Amino acid sequence: EIVLTQSPGTLSLSPGERATLSCRASQSVSSSYLAWYQQKPGQAPRLLIYGASSRATGIPDRFSASGSGTDFTLTISRLEPEDFAVYYCQQYGGSPPSFGQGTKLEIK
Amino acid sequence: QLQLQESGPGLVKPSETLSLTCTVSGGSISSSSYYWGWIRQPPGKGLEWIGSIYYSGNTYYNPSLKSRVTISVDTSKNQFSLRLSSVTAADTAVYYCARPAAKSYYYYYMDVWGKGTTVTVSS
Repeated sequence: EIVLTQSPGTLSLSPGERATLSCRASQSVSSSYLAWYQQKPGQAPRLLIYGASSRATGIPDRFSASGSGTDFTLTISRLEPEDFAVYYCQQYGGSPPSFGQGTKLEIK
Repeated sequence: QLQLQESGPGLVKPSETLSLTCTVSGGSISSSSYYWGWIRQPPGKGLEWIGSIYYSGNTYYNPSLKSRVTISVDTSKNQFSLRLSSVTAADTAVYYCARPAAKSYYYYYMDVWGKGTTVTVSS
C-alpha cells in the first residue's frame, strides 16, 4: 500500500496569503494519479484536483496543484475565508487507494 | 443530479455486525458502468477506502478489512450495502458512500459523495 504523508499538519495563515501544502508518497504514484480534497466540519470531502494538476468542475483558479512521482503540492494563491478547512491528498495509482492524514488550514 | 444517501444504525455493540445502506438517486446503479464504494473516517482522523462493488456484484475490498467486510448491491432498489462484522471501538467512524469517477474502475478519485453517517461502536 502506498502511504501518503502530508505536511505540515497544521498551517496557520491569514486571508489573502498564499498557502502551500505538501503530499509525499512512499513510492512513485503511477501516471500522476493523485487527487486533492477539501473537507469542512460536518461535510463530506469535496474534490478539488485530480490527475495531480487538473481542477475539478467549479473549482476556482486560485487552487492549483503540481507534482509527479512521489512529491505533490497544492497551492492556494490568495486565501479566501471559505478556504480554511482540512485538505487531503489521495493516490489512485495503486490498490488499495489511500489518503494522506490531512493538513488543517486555519486562520491565523 | 446524482446523489448518494447513507442510512443505518448509529450505534452498534462490540462484536456485532455493522450494516449500512447507500441509496442512489438521479441515476441508475445498473446502467451506469460505474463501481460504487464505501470510505470511512474515524473521529479526527483521515480517510480509509473500504471497498467497491459493480452492479453485477463484482467486489473489491481493502486487504486490511477484507476478512470482515461484505459489500452487496440491490439493483431493484438502486442501493448498495456494507456489512462489517466483529466490530470494535476502532470501527467507530463516519461512513461515506462514494463513486469512483471513472467507469469500470473499482478505485479512482471520488467525484460524488454521500453526506456520511456516523457509526459508534459501544456497549
